[in-house]
Amino acid sequence: SQTIHQWPATLVQPVGSPLSLECTVEGTSNPNLYWYRQAAGRGLQLLFYSVGIGQISSEVPQNLSASRPQDRQFILSSKKLLLSDSGFYLCAWSGPRVSGLGQETQYFGPGTRLLVL
Amino acid sequence: SQQGEEDPQALSIQEGENATMNCSYKTSINNLQWYRQNSGRGLVHLILIRSNEREKHSGRLRVTLDTSKKSSSLLITASRAADTASYFCATDASGYSTLTFGKGTMLLVSP
Repeated sequence: SQTIHQWPATLVQPVGSPLSLECTVEGTSNPNLYWYRQAAGRGLQLLFYSVGIGQISSEVPQNLSASRPQDRQFILSSKKLLLSDSGFYLCAWSGPRVSGLGQETQYFGPGTRLLVL
Repeated sequence: SQQGEEDPQALSIQEGENATMNCSYKTSINNLQWYRQNSGRGLVHLILIRSNEREKHSGRLRVTLDTSKKSSSLLITASRAADTASYFCATDASGYSTLTFGKGTMLLVSP
């Protein structure tokens, strides 16, 4: 069966420090991968998605970047954190889009709560 | 934007009652999905309904889709305290590469 891991679960970082959040998927190959951010009590904001190694699409220009160095590894980074980067970061995976059927189910990791002070 | 909008934003009911949440969207879709999020956790997929379907059931869940009104509803029957969570609709729209999630309905079921 497929599983998705995120770490760390919680992170407290000072403003201006770097960030690296990691997400890995097991039990599937060539997944679509996603990074979302969720502010407290709010909906999900898609940050990045990837359909293959080295292929990253950015949905919102900001202080963050993403990389996919391996098929089932997705990394969210920042060189210098801002206060506004605080939030709950969720990684998800899905199968590829199927012509005529569209985007299928996304499977989410447990999330990383980031607090920037 | 294509974002789905859930209604109401918050819903408080007693155990045993039914809970109904609605989702409206703006453009044509391939499918619409409902997810649940327990506090501080990741989202869990509940049900997917395709644009050519009108109703779908899964256990105590019933989802309807009205493409003419661009709306969907999620009904949870005989609710339990364990149903307390936020519920999100997500649309897969033609011309979009990924799902678009709404802001969610926060459901509180009291014992």
